[in-house]
Formats: sequence, C-alpha cells, structure tokens
Amino acid sequence: GENVEQHPSTLSVQEGDSAVIKCTYSDSASNYFPWYKQELGKGPQLIIDIRSNVGEKKDQRIAVTLNKTAKHFSLHITETQPEDSAVYFCAATLAGGTSYGKLTFGQGTILTVHP
Amino acid sequence: DAGITQSPRHKVTETGTPVTLRCHQTENHRYMYWYRQDPGHGLRLIHYSYGVKDTDKGEVSDGYSVSRSKTEDFLLTLESATSSQTSVYFCAIGYTDTQYFGPGTRLTVL
Repeated sequence: GENVEQHPSTLSVQEGDSAVIKCTYSDSASNYFPWYKQELGKGPQLIIDIRSNVGEKKDQRIAVTLNKTAKHFSLHITETQPEDSAVYFCAATLAGGTSYGKLTFGQGTILTVHP
Repeated sequence: DAGITQSPRHKVTETGTPVTLRCHQTENHRYMYWYRQDPGHGLRLIHYSYGVKDTDKGEVSDGYSVSRSKTEDFLLTLESATSSQTSVYFCAIGYTDTQYFGPGTRLTVL
C-alpha cells in the first residue's frame, strides 16, 4: 500500500519568512495530493490540493509543487503570519475507481510562526 | 466543518465497555470515512463507506466495526474498548476525491 513520509516534524519561523514542508510517497499510481491544516482542537481543513497532471498550484500565499518522477510534493507558505501556526498534513491517494478516495497521511508538521 | 457533526465530542469509558461514535452529514455525500489520530502517526483510516450498507476496512480496522443504514449517518463501534483505542476520532465525508473532516471525538479508555 501507499506510504507517505513528511518532513520536518517541527518547523519554527519568524513572521514574514517562508516555510516549506516536504512529503514523499511510495505508490507511483497515486494521483491526488491534498494538504490539510489543523488548528488546536479542530478537525483538519483542506487548504490546497494538486493532481498528478499539474506541476504547481498557487493560492495566494500558499503553493504546492509536485515532482512525479521523484515522487515528492511540497507545501510552500510565503510571508508567514502568526495565524499560520498549526499542524500541517500531507496526504496521497489514487483518485477515482475503486480506490474510493482513501487517503494515506504523512505524520504531520507542527509549524510555529513567531511574531 | 462542511455540514458534518460528530457525537459525542468527548467520552471517557472503561476497558471492556462498548462504545458507539456517530457521524452525521447534511451534504448528501456518497463517501464517508472514519480516521483515528495519534501523536506521531498522523491520521489513519479505520473504515470507510461508499454507499448505504456498503463499507470496507481501512488500515487499522481491528477492534472496530461500522454501519451505515442511511446516507447521512455513519456509526463507528468499539465492541469492547481497550486502552489502545484511546485516541481522537475524525469522521470525513467525500465528494469524488476531496475529503472534508468533522470536528472530532476525543475518546479516553481507562
């Protein structure tokens, strides 16, 4: 089955700096890669996703890149703000068909943005 | 939380007792999932459903069962709770491949 590794486990940055979180996956058939943000005491919230037919996707200060050959994808947050502090999870799945969208998650990254 | 509620939100129970967690959605999505979240493990899939009465096992299904008798409700049952099942449980609903998560249930088994 799919295995997703996420690094780093903790990341501390100063407000205004950029933050990068990296994930690798094992199953070359995976074609959908979402990123979730989880604030304390809440459920994970989808913040951005990317499909295997796209190399990069941006949404304001957040971007995700995908390298299918190397089987890794990354989350980039620019101009970080204290409200970006949270736990971030990457995930991977083979979308469509009988996979039923079952997600395999990375272990999570605790991002702390210092004012 | 995308029209998803979970109940109860917190529960403390004793080893050996049965426990049922409920997930309710108002989005009429076909797919529903149960995950558990533990430190260092991210979220792991317990069971999932791809329609009424259609369910299957996930990565960590031992000790858990599920039922889905109507589209909006997905129940997770621990037949005889153990301390290793102390965790935070999240329900998710899916439309095609995108999943949205509920607020979670914190379960403590003493």
